[in-house]
Amino acid sequence: GAVVSQHPSWVICKSGTSVKIECRSLDFQATTMFWYRQFPKQSLMLMATSNEGSKATYEQGVEKDKFLINHASLTLSTLTVTSAHPEDSSFYICSARSGGAQETQYFGPGTRLLVL
Amino acid sequence: GQNIDQPTEMTATEGAIVQINCTYQTSGFNGLFWYQQHAGEAPTFLSYNVLDGLEEKGRFSSFLSRSKGYSYLLLKELQMKDSASYLCAAMDSNYQLIWGAGTKLIIKP
Repeated sequence: GAVVSQHPSWVICKSGTSVKIECRSLDFQATTMFWYRQFPKQSLMLMATSNEGSKATYEQGVEKDKFLINHASLTLSTLTVTSAHPEDSSFYICSARSGGAQETQYFGPGTRLLVL
Repeated sequence: GQNIDQPTEMTATEGAIVQINCTYQTSGFNGLFWYQQHAGEAPTFLSYNVLDGLEEKGRFSSFLSRSKGYSYLLLKELQMKDSASYLCAAMDSNYQLIWGAGTKLIIKP
């Protein structure tokens, strides 16, 4: 099946620094990528949807200047958490889809961010 | 390698019971999650099992056998709104999620 990878798996950083998380579709072209945030045993919270070559669409309440998303190619999207603070500590999960809304969405393994 | 298998699609009748199976192979194990995802929406958390046995939560129950690398999600008294994709995800020793491709459940009247 299709594989989506994320890098890094874990990141620990100091408050005020920026962290970049990569999401790659390894064996298919992802026209759409999604970024989620997950709290323990909670539903995935959609942060933003990005289409290759277009600006990301952010969900209500998600600061676009804080969570910068770049979907520069059909296999790579990046999420940059700028000026990270302890409350940004979370589990960030990306997913990718190759076609329209009825196509299967493949999820990445997640990136754990801890901001000290 | 790490792998999760679940059926691609299942069909069931309104009011009936359906069991969605999931088998997994992971490097270490820190629990198994089930999510429900309606088309165009974010996955909704249904259950988390880390110990063997059955956990019941209303119409939904989830079972885990760690020795067999097996889990199932049981849905009772099916309703039309239960038509969705059901995602199985296992957490490995690094607390990374290994996702199944999802089971599309179609409920017929």
